[in-house]
Amino acid sequence: GQNIDQPTEMTATEGAIVQINCTYQTSGFNGLFWYQQHAGEAPTFLSYNVLDGLEEKGRFSSFLSRSKGYSYLLLKELQMKDSASYLCAVRSYNYGQNFVFGPGTRLSVLP
Amino acid sequence: NAGVTQTPKFRVLKTGQSMTLLCAQDMNHEYMYWYRQDPGMGLRLIHYSVGEGTTAKGEVPDGYNVSRLKKQNFLLGLESAAPSQTSVYFCASGTGTGAGGNQPQHFGDGTRLSIL
Repeated sequence: GQNIDQPTEMTATEGAIVQINCTYQTSGFNGLFWYQQHAGEAPTFLSYNVLDGLEEKGRFSSFLSRSKGYSYLLLKELQMKDSASYLCAVRSYNYGQNFVFGPGTRLSVLP
Repeated sequence: NAGVTQTPKFRVLKTGQSMTLLCAQDMNHEYMYWYRQDPGMGLRLIHYSVGEGTTAKGEVPDGYNVSRLKKQNFLLGLESAAPSQTSVYFCASGTGTGAGGNQPQHFGDGTRLSIL
C-alpha cells in the first residue's frame, strides 16, 4: 500500500529557515511533489523530485532520498505569507500513475 | 487562461438529495481527478480519468459517480447525499508521464459541500 507521513503543525519566525519532512512507503515510485495550500484555497505546485538530491527554486528547496523514502521541503527567509499548509504527494506506477497525498503540515510564521 | 474551474463553489444539501459538481479545464490535459479533503486526512482520490470517455475508481469511490463525455469536462455526481460526504471537493487536471515529463496537477478552487 501507500503511506505518507508529515508533521501536523510547525511554527517558525519570520526571516528564519524551516524544514518540513515527509516520509513515504510506496512501490513503483515515480516522483515526489510538494504543494502549498493557503486556508480556503486550492493547492499550488511548489517543487518536484524524481532523482535523489536537492532541487532549488528561489527561497524553496526540496530534497529526495529514494532509498530512505524521505523528502524535505526547505523554506528560507520566511515571510508571513508563507503561513500555509504544505502537502507532500507521491506518484506511483503501481497506483495508476496517480498521486497519494500526505496529511499536510500546517506552518505558522510568527513576526 | 482560466485553468481549472469548478462549479458551484458552495452548496448545502439535505440527506438523500442528489447533485452534480462540474469541473472544466482549458489546458488540453488528458488526466482529470476528483479529490475530497477532510481535516487531518489530506486529499483522497475519489475517481479519475485518463482521457475522454474513460473513468476509474480511486481510493474512496463509494457513493460517487463520474463521467468524462468531453475532454475538458469531468463531472462528479452524488446520487443520494449522506452527511459523511460533507467535505471540500477539489478537481485537478494534468498530463501523464510521457514526453512532457512528470508534470504536476493543477487544481480548481474547490467546492464546499455540506450535507444536513
